[in-house]
Amino acid sequence: DTAVSQTPKYLVTQMGNDKSIKCEQNLGHDTMYWYKQDSKKFLKIMFSYNNKELIINETVPNRFSPKSPDKAHLNLHINSLELGDSAVYFCASGTGAILEQYFGPGTRLTVT
Amino acid sequence: AQSVTQLGSHVSVSEGALVLLRCNYSSSVPPYLFWYVQYPNQGLQLLLKYTTGATLVKGINGFEAEFKKSETSFHLTKPSAHMSDAAEYFCAVSVSNRDDKIIFGKGTRLHILP
Repeated sequence: DTAVSQTPKYLVTQMGNDKSIKCEQNLGHDTMYWYKQDSKKFLKIMFSYNNKELIINETVPNRFSPKSPDKAHLNLHINSLELGDSAVYFCASGTGAILEQYFGPGTRLTVT
Repeated sequence: AQSVTQLGSHVSVSEGALVLLRCNYSSSVPPYLFWYVQYPNQGLQLLLKYTTGATLVKGINGFEAEFKKSETSFHLTKPSAHMSDAAEYFCAVSVSNRDDKIIFGKGTRLHILP
């Protein structure tokens, strides 16, 4: 009964490949997020969706495309992977009311 | 625009000693403030939050933080450190519920010395 789950936990791939990360939350929240955490632990928001509608779209290369089939799922697809995409990607969900967010365990992406 | 500054990327304290992690924020309107903890190879977990009301906020695992508007600070404290407190701690701020965006500080790694 994990609240926010992500798959896969680890992802190792070569430059130029396309990959997807999946996220699901069972908390009934309307809002979901994707964050990127770099090697220095800096955490930066990438996208947020509210009830399947894109709300936040930070300055992220258009190789990154989020997709929300329903409000419990927010997937992240990355095209033409680059070395600089190596990071830990966190999914989160929240109510939006007081902005408290619940984080998934993260997906460690390594691009070689 | 709002921002968060965490003083000290690494803090070391002895087991049983006081933990003090510093956070200052910048905001032109009353902020919502948060502290999150990240244990190794895990996601972030909310420790505590300040929205409105009482300025001293108590969280999980014996942590507390005090919102001081005059100092634009939200420092995190714990009276007695435990080995299990070793982790990365993030202060975060938000002032708008329009776009539900939280701005995180760069984090402070807490080391507990035996």
